[in-house]
Amino acid sequence: AQSVTQLGSHVSVSEGALVLLRCNYSSSVPPYLFWYVQYPNQGLQLLLKYTSAATLVKGINGFEAEFKKSETSFHLTKPSAHMSDAAEYFCAVSDPLEYGNKLVFGAGTILRVKS
Amino acid sequence: NAGVTQTPKFQVLKTGQSMTLQCAQDMNHEYMSWYRQDPGMGLRLIHYSVGAGITDQGEVPNGYNVSRSTTEDFPLRLLSAAPSQTSVYFCASSRDTEAFFGQGTRLTVV
Repeated sequence: AQSVTQLGSHVSVSEGALVLLRCNYSSSVPPYLFWYVQYPNQGLQLLLKYTSAATLVKGINGFEAEFKKSETSFHLTKPSAHMSDAAEYFCAVSDPLEYGNKLVFGAGTILRVKS
Repeated sequence: NAGVTQTPKFQVLKTGQSMTLQCAQDMNHEYMSWYRQDPGMGLRLIHYSVGAGITDQGEVPNGYNVSRSTTEDFPLRLLSAAPSQTSVYFCASSRDTEAFFGQGTRLTVV
């Protein structure tokens, strides 16, 4: 069975500061990994994904994440936070051997950006 | 291009009532799924479908039914609503490794 743990249900940073959102996963097979963002009262939007190519993945809005197999981690970073980054972020995992895209989500991290 | 369309956006039900949440996609994706989102629990998979006529249970299927008669539509039925089904429901359709989500249906059961 797969699972995802997101450390910190709330993270607060100042505008211009580094954003670091943590994600650790558990999977019996090398997984696919995803970060999604959800703005208030909206659906989820894909930020970036790891599908066994380059371990450093760049996404939209200046975000990137690095897959570290030895640490079973896929942390999300952004060098400089903007007010518009305030949202809830979800890390998710899927099994590449399964047809389709059954996602297992973490509990989410709410990012607050202070001016 | 509409993507994934969910209706209604909001719904209040009384305990024991039944209803259907609608989901339609215009991207010709084979794979569709339903999730529920609850505070502090992320999204959990209710049911999914790998194509017309084929459905299967996810992590939290109890109290919900689905069917997939066409590629485009994947409705979710609540058979007898319970307060524990108060949640935000998201439908998604997938191409390869990318899932596209609808805007959600916020359901309250009183």
